[in-house]
Amino acid sequence: ILNVEQSPQSLHVQEGDSTNFTCSFPSSNFYALHWYRWETAKSPEALFVMTLNGDEKKKGRISATLNTKEGYSYLYIKGSQPEDSATYLCAFDRDDKIIFGKGTRLHILP
Amino acid sequence: GAVVSQHPSWVICKSGTSVKIECRSLDFQATTMFWYRQFPKQSLMLMATSNEGSKATYEQGVEKDKFLINHASLTLSTLTVTSAHPEDSSFYICSARDWGSNQPQHFGDGTRLSIL
Repeated sequence: ILNVEQSPQSLHVQEGDSTNFTCSFPSSNFYALHWYRWETAKSPEALFVMTLNGDEKKKGRISATLNTKEGYSYLYIKGSQPEDSATYLCAFDRDDKIIFGKGTRLHILP
Repeated sequence: GAVVSQHPSWVICKSGTSVKIECRSLDFQATTMFWYRQFPKQSLMLMATSNEGSKATYEQGVEKDKFLINHASLTLSTLTVTSAHPEDSSFYICSARDWGSNQPQHFGDGTRLSIL
């Protein structure tokens, strides 16, 4: 059974604070790890595609790291803003199959 | 950026009706398209993967005869829910991926299907 776990399930962060959350995935047959940002009533938006162990990617205040040997990825948000409120999904890509985690629902408190 | 158009966005129909959902990649060629279903408070569940010109690969537990997928061109895939019943009511979302390694998926806006 291929399991992609995200934690925490839900997170409340004060505006201006930094935060991070985790995605863990199988360490075998790894092809890529995707991060998506999904706002309510919109379609998921691709944030990062990560492929190499040790990869670090950055997009504005959001960054992500990847450890394929131990099967985890962290997503970091620096200086949270209200517009960061969304569900962040990771997806384990085995090339022939993509499995999504259940997401981390991030709420930014004003 | 890459755009995927999904249509219709909302369908309400009677039990027994067949419903077709279209997924189009507007500005790129989608060699692979994915169809997902989302149950309330759960993540996206992959239903099937389709590659242009070949039969779709269905996930375990997904009925092929119930959910017909066609990917006849590099820009269009369709999902037909045949003889829909209330338990088929759900949010269906497609995504498309361009040719080439490590391309992200681009998602359509989804279709809310309600069967009465």
